[in-house]
Amino acid sequence: GQQLNQSPQSMFIQEGEDVSMNCTSSSIFNTWLWYKQDPGEGPVLLIALYKAGELTSNGRLTAQFGITRKDSFLNISASIPSDVGIYFCAGRSRGAQKLVFGQGTRLTINP
Amino acid sequence: GAVVSQHPSRVICKSGTSVKIECRSLDFQATTMFWYRQFPKQSLMLMATSNEGSKATYEQGVEKDKFLINHASLTLSTLTVTSAHPEDSSFYICSPISGDRVTEAFFGQGTRLTVV
Repeated sequence: GQQLNQSPQSMFIQEGEDVSMNCTSSSIFNTWLWYKQDPGEGPVLLIALYKAGELTSNGRLTAQFGITRKDSFLNISASIPSDVGIYFCAGRSRGAQKLVFGQGTRLTINP
Repeated sequence: GAVVSQHPSRVICKSGTSVKIECRSLDFQATTMFWYRQFPKQSLMLMATSNEGSKATYEQGVEKDKFLINHASLTLSTLTVTSAHPEDSSFYICSPISGDRVTEAFFGQGTRLTVV
């Protein structure tokens, strides 16, 4: 099925570093969602974006809805060990219920 | 966020048996339920969509007779894996959607199915 292009696929960073990941799509979305998934758990919603250009923060996390409606990024500042996990972006088109998911970004943090 | 309860979290079954997975939305009415399957190190793959009181719509390549979905109430949906085979071993995740909160999507905790 359709997928978003999420990058990078994996990141290996030092604790305290900032992290940036993004998703791009060939089609326009009206909603962008960012999730974190820990091993053996379901995805947990981090940030939801509903308007082009919207910039939203959740603690150390910041995400933006691209102006073109075809991309979004997620930044994590001052990473800590509990940030380890897999981050997924997801997009939804106007009038659609289904989500389209990115392939995920696996974040590993060296203490 | 919404409260979603999925059970069991892990199940091991023998080949040929059936397994039922439950998904409950505890603080809202789920007019629609998505069921996903996730293989190791991969993204979520949508299996089927069900609306309360209606038959589920299955994605291409997903056998409807093998993955039975029941969405009889606004707070409970079940996925039954029938005649399970080892290749059905996977992580199954539900995602209930409320008609008035369709812009958000929350997920259950997932069920790790191992067929031996």
